[in-house]
Amino acid sequence: GENVEQHPSTLSVQEGDSAVIKCTYSDSASNYFPWYKQELGKRPQLIIDIRSNVGEKKDQRIAVTLNKTAKHFSLHITETQPEDSAVYFCAASGGTGGSYIPTFGRGTSLIVHP
Amino acid sequence: GAVVSQHPSRVICKSGTSVKIECRSLDFQATTMFWYRQFPKQSLMLMATSNEGSKATYEQGVEKDKFLINHASLTLSTLTVTSAHPEDSSFYICSVPGTGFPEAFFGQGTRLTVV
Repeated sequence: GENVEQHPSTLSVQEGDSAVIKCTYSDSASNYFPWYKQELGKRPQLIIDIRSNVGEKKDQRIAVTLNKTAKHFSLHITETQPEDSAVYFCAASGGTGGSYIPTFGRGTSLIVHP
Repeated sequence: GAVVSQHPSRVICKSGTSVKIECRSLDFQATTMFWYRQFPKQSLMLMATSNEGSKATYEQGVEKDKFLINHASLTLSTLTVTSAHPEDSSFYICSVPGTGFPEAFFGQGTRLTVV
């Protein structure tokens, strides 16, 4: 099955800095890569996603890049703000067999210091 | 995106009792729902896939007799933790695939504490 690795597990930045979270996946057939933000005790919220026919996608301060050859994708947050502090999960789905069930990374705890 | 409502948000129960958690898809019919378990500071671990009108599909290592799943209608799936023990204490969360299919929308989650 699919295996998703996510790094780093913890990321601490100063307000205004950029933050980058990286994920790799194992199933070359996977074609959908969402990113979720989860605040403490709350549900994961989809913040951005990318499909395998696209290399990069941007939404205001958030961008995601995908390298299909290397099987890795990254989340980039620019001009970080304290409210960006949360746990971020990457996921991959649509792999071998066409499974739409996402496989999640282990999560990255992002701390933005004011 | 889909609106998913999960209830209760928090529950404390005694060891040996059973707890039922409900997951509702409020704005569209869902033939499939997913149940996850999340330990503190860890990722979401898929427990089972709930299928409307048929048996749930459980992931390896998940006891089907302990975690009973019922998906009797297109808008409601329930997870019952039977004979709960302290080690069952966790954050349980359901999700519903969106109409775009790959997307997943999550319920609010249920914090279960077994004392």
